[in-house]
Amino acid sequence: DAGVTQSPTHLIKTRGQQVTLRCSPKSGHDTVSWYQQALGQGPQFIFQYYEEEERQRGNFPDRFSGHQFPNYSSELNVNALLLGDSALYLCASSWGRSSGNTIYFGEGSWLTVV
Amino acid sequence: TQLLEQSPQFLSIQEGENLTVYCNSSSVFSSLQWYRQEPGEGPVLLVTVVTGGEVKKLKRLTFQFGDARKDSSLHITAAQPGDTGLYLCAGGPSNTGKLIFGQGTTLQVKP
Repeated sequence: DAGVTQSPTHLIKTRGQQVTLRCSPKSGHDTVSWYQQALGQGPQFIFQYYEEEERQRGNFPDRFSGHQFPNYSSELNVNALLLGDSALYLCASSWGRSSGNTIYFGEGSWLTVV
Repeated sequence: TQLLEQSPQFLSIQEGENLTVYCNSSSVFSSLQWYRQEPGEGPVLLVTVVTGGEVKKLKRLTFQFGDARKDSSLHITAAQPGDTGLYLCAGGPSNTGKLIFGQGTTLQVKP
């Protein structure tokens, strides 16, 4: 049983560029959340997708957008990249939307903006 | 705004020592979760505590949820080098799916 898979694992972008990160949830999971984790910090919630719609959003600008597909996989898009967007981006999946449900994290995508 | 504060932020101890990590908030949480994260990997769930005053044990790790459900602690007995990592507490408003994380405690256990 595959867990949460993310791609790419590492990437380098230039300021002003756009990036797309991808996530496949754990088998049987229908909810995907994205988190940003700066070095040495705890993850920060970006948004959650359920039934192909954004259901919850954290304190992130509109440059951060996402999408969920009918097979529950998800993408995170970041436009007009800033140096401060350099971080580990984590995808998490669960069955159902409740924060009390067990969620599983992928290994993350390391984004470096230069 | 719900916040979780962890202390200490950094801990470097010798193998065999005991330690406690604290996770505090001014808000009530319906549940709190503890994760461990190793470099280059995503967080892995260790335990979820739900009931005020609840104590859960996972081998040498003991987790406690405060009576008022505003705080939690993680106690490690006889730490081993394999316990090295970033320990995170997290909680969220029920039925929202939004997890709020503490800033983490980096633990280094020296052999």
